[in-house]
Amino acid sequence: GAGVSQSPSNKVTEKGKDVELRCDPISGHTALYWYRQSLGQGLEFLIYFQGNSAPDKSGLPSDRFSAERTGGSVSTLTIQRTQQEDSAVYLCASSLAPTLGGSITGELFFGEGSRLTVL
Amino acid sequence: GNSVTQMEGPVTLSEEAFLTINCTYTATGYPSLFWYVQYPGEGLQLLLKATKADDKGSNKGFEATYRKETTSFHLEKGSVQVSDSAVYFCALSRSNTGKLIFGQGTTLQVKP
Repeated sequence: GAGVSQSPSNKVTEKGKDVELRCDPISGHTALYWYRQSLGQGLEFLIYFQGNSAPDKSGLPSDRFSAERTGGSVSTLTIQRTQQEDSAVYLCASSLAPTLGGSITGELFFGEGSRLTVL
Repeated sequence: GNSVTQMEGPVTLSEEAFLTINCTYTATGYPSLFWYVQYPGEGLQLLLKATKADDKGSNKGFEATYRKETTSFHLEKGSVQVSDSAVYFCALSRSNTGKLIFGQGTTLQVKP
């Protein structure tokens, strides 16, 4: 379909391993967001990309977390040396550029998420 | 800092009952306010929004009014259906980046 696509949908890993989560936004959406949804914690903002601007990394919980967005499209969230507290659903969302009034409307389009379980 | 507080769930109602899910916020200035819904097995989607005080957002029979005096944005529906069973998230945005601050979510279960 034409929605936000995330992979893998489920990932089980051992403590200490690195994981990569992928997000393919809606074509033409220049803004991309990563959120984390933990049990009982709601949705926690992680990082925001807008076009060629420097990303807003203010929500990343530690330096084990990083994200990149190649070619202004696909994004990868990397978690190094995973810990059990990293277990959560990682959600990606995209929206139109603010200058087009997209993100100002608050209409973020979310993927179904990647469920990460760290044993 | 900016934050959103929602009533804890789960909320269990019978079909055709009246629904209220409370949401209050803390923010500087004048945020925009949103309700997102997550149906089982689907991604979050925008349900309704309000961008200034006294605005009423509405969609699919749901309504919420931006109350600056009480810093609230309660979600209401007059007659719920089984298909409304989902998790509802209240959120605010304080900038034009679209970065949203979410509440913890409220699970609604509607029984036939």
